[in-house]
Amino acid sequence: QQQVKQSPQSLIVQKGGISIINCAYENTAFDYFPWYQQFPGKGPALLIAIRPDVSEKKEGRFTISFNKSAKQFSLHIMDSQPGDSATYFCAASKAPDNFNKFYFGSGTKLNVKP
Amino acid sequence: EAGVTQFPSHSVIEKGQTVTLRCDPISGHDNLYWYRRVMGKEIKFLLHFVKESKQDESGMPNNRFLAERTGGTYSTLKVQPAELEDSGVYFCASNPGGRSYEQYFGPGTRLTVT
Repeated sequence: QQQVKQSPQSLIVQKGGISIINCAYENTAFDYFPWYQQFPGKGPALLIAIRPDVSEKKEGRFTISFNKSAKQFSLHIMDSQPGDSATYFCAASKAPDNFNKFYFGSGTKLNVKP
Repeated sequence: EAGVTQFPSHSVIEKGQTVTLRCDPISGHDNLYWYRRVMGKEIKFLLHFVKESKQDESGMPNNRFLAERTGGTYSTLKVQPAELEDSGVYFCASNPGGRSYEQYFGPGTRLTVT
């Protein structure tokens, strides 16, 4: 059973638009929710992450919105650029002292058109 | 500081053959994880080392997979004998331990079993 569900599978956005990717999780013991960005031929790299004690975190054009009661979190990319075209993975894990293996979503392939 | 490195980047083998994948984590990182992504699905956890000890093997598909971490440094993942369904991208990640949540991923090894 997949513990983190991600949608959409693919997304096409015009340059300057807003990209939104959604994830939902089941396990209320999850304590850390990162988003990873992967370019072709590269490994996933941490983009931004949130803990459940806050409802939103913003870093530049990237924002995570977190809804603990709904067990959902989303990534918003403002003013999307062609250089943002990549595959995005959401993930969830428990605290490090609980040996934090990651549970990943299935990925969203984002294509930002010039 | 060098990142996580993996070798080879790509391997094509025939069904029934043996393949060994190698991962060199970031120096000083006690935690080492193996993950696999099959056919555009989610990135799935395989196993977790703390130094040279296997902490969690719950994601290993079957006994054709054998992982080792010599002296708590690099790790190898051997598949013997390989089957068609073993094809996918194998990622290694490391984490320094303590209260650190983030995992640093390598570029992956793309394994194709024909």
